[in-house]
Amino acid sequence: ETGVTQTPRHLVMGMTNKKSLKCEQHLGHNAMYWYKQSAKKPLELMFVYNFKEQTENNSVPSRFSPECPNSSHLFLHLHTLQPEDSALYLCASSLATGTSGNEQFFGPGTRLTVL
Amino acid sequence: SQQGEEDPQALSIQEGENATMNCSYKTSINNLQWYRQNSGRGLVHLILIRSNEREKHSGRLRVTLDTSKKSSSLLITASRAADTASYFCATDRGSSNTGKLIFGQGTTLQVKP
Repeated sequence: ETGVTQTPRHLVMGMTNKKSLKCEQHLGHNAMYWYKQSAKKPLELMFVYNFKEQTENNSVPSRFSPECPNSSHLFLHLHTLQPEDSALYLCASSLATGTSGNEQFFGPGTRLTVL
Repeated sequence: SQQGEEDPQALSIQEGENATMNCSYKTSINNLQWYRQNSGRGLVHLILIRSNEREKHSGRLRVTLDTSKKSSSLLITASRAADTASYFCATDRGSSNTGKLIFGQGTTLQVKP
């Protein structure tokens, strides 16, 4: 257990569905991240939030919509996804961006399949 | 372009042997980190080495950093079957310090009992 939980662990959705991924951290951290991990590709950073403010959007398509209501929770809202969006979506947290030694703690991920 | 690139892409060894993985990167860094990922799970932080450090140890792990060559290595000594996983290096770049880590493609390690 890393102190970061993600739900659901598995999700199958059609291209017209709307779903949300949830991440919660119990570590008292102030920075949270969404990553996408596809087969045979390196981990791709999607979004960074620091003290609830988005500080990084790595050119992510608008069909992915993040939400960070507080420093402990992070959501990824999904709508009209494409089959190529099927991947493992990982959430991570760290003390805060801009701190020395930005060690990140990862959740177990949500395995998303888009049909 | 990719910041961290590991080699080899795959490594298979016998239990008890040592495993060495290498990582190269392109730009200046604040620190370099190594993570482990068991199949289909989240990543676990192993060790962090700062740009002004050359070597660091943690249990059976030894990490070296050569900033002149922009490379790092991870050595796992006396490997165990439980070390079977993918290993990733990640760089925390220089000046911006936005929290953005750039991950390599990873080395898949198999330790045979």
